[in-house]
Amino acid sequence: GNSVTQMEGPVTLSEEAFLTINCTYTATGYPSLFWYVQYPGEGLQLLLKATKADDKGSNKGFEATYRKETTSFHLEKGSVQVSDSAVYFCALLDRGSTLGRLYFGRGTQLTVWP
Amino acid sequence: GAVVSQHPSRVICKSGTSVKIECRSLDFQATTMFWYRQFPKQSLMLMATSNEGSKATYEQGVEKDKFLINHASLTLSTLTVTSAHPEDSSFYICSARDAEAGGSYNEQFFGPGTRLTVL
Repeated sequence: GNSVTQMEGPVTLSEEAFLTINCTYTATGYPSLFWYVQYPGEGLQLLLKATKADDKGSNKGFEATYRKETTSFHLEKGSVQVSDSAVYFCALLDRGSTLGRLYFGRGTQLTVWP
Repeated sequence: GAVVSQHPSRVICKSGTSVKIECRSLDFQATTMFWYRQFPKQSLMLMATSNEGSKATYEQGVEKDKFLINHASLTLSTLTVTSAHPEDSSFYICSARDAEAGGSYNEQFFGPGTRLTVL
């Protein structure tokens, strides 16, 4: 089946620290992979995506590389800011699914202190 | 970019009443919309998938008669929580899939969510 496993939080960092949030997946087909961010009291915003192996998604200093050999899509940022404090969700889309359903990880709470 | 709105953003109601939540795609047509429920500090739980003009597909364990979903047009889906009780209090989020979008990833666009509190 399809599933996503994220590292458990919460993650607490000082400003300008390096961030890694691990994400691994299992998929029945060839998935597309996403990272979403959720700020307090809001819905989800797409942060970045990758549609095939070795693709690197990037946005706002965040990066993630689609690693088919390790079935991973780890999120990284070289220097976090207080404004990056949010919940981050890794997600998988089974492109063979006609409904286009997303499978989410549990989410990782990130708190950045000044 | 594609925008999805939800209305209302917050609602407080008495136990036993029904509440309707609207999800609209503002600048694109959505053949498929998804309804999620999110408990505090937890991930999103898919409740149902709705396709325009047909009955919604509910996930296992979600009561169809409790959570009525209607997707009457390509830009509007509604979720009605019938006879709401305090345990129905939650954050409800919808997402919409662009019917015209090409590409292999079929991106979903999320609404801002609706906070339901049942007293």
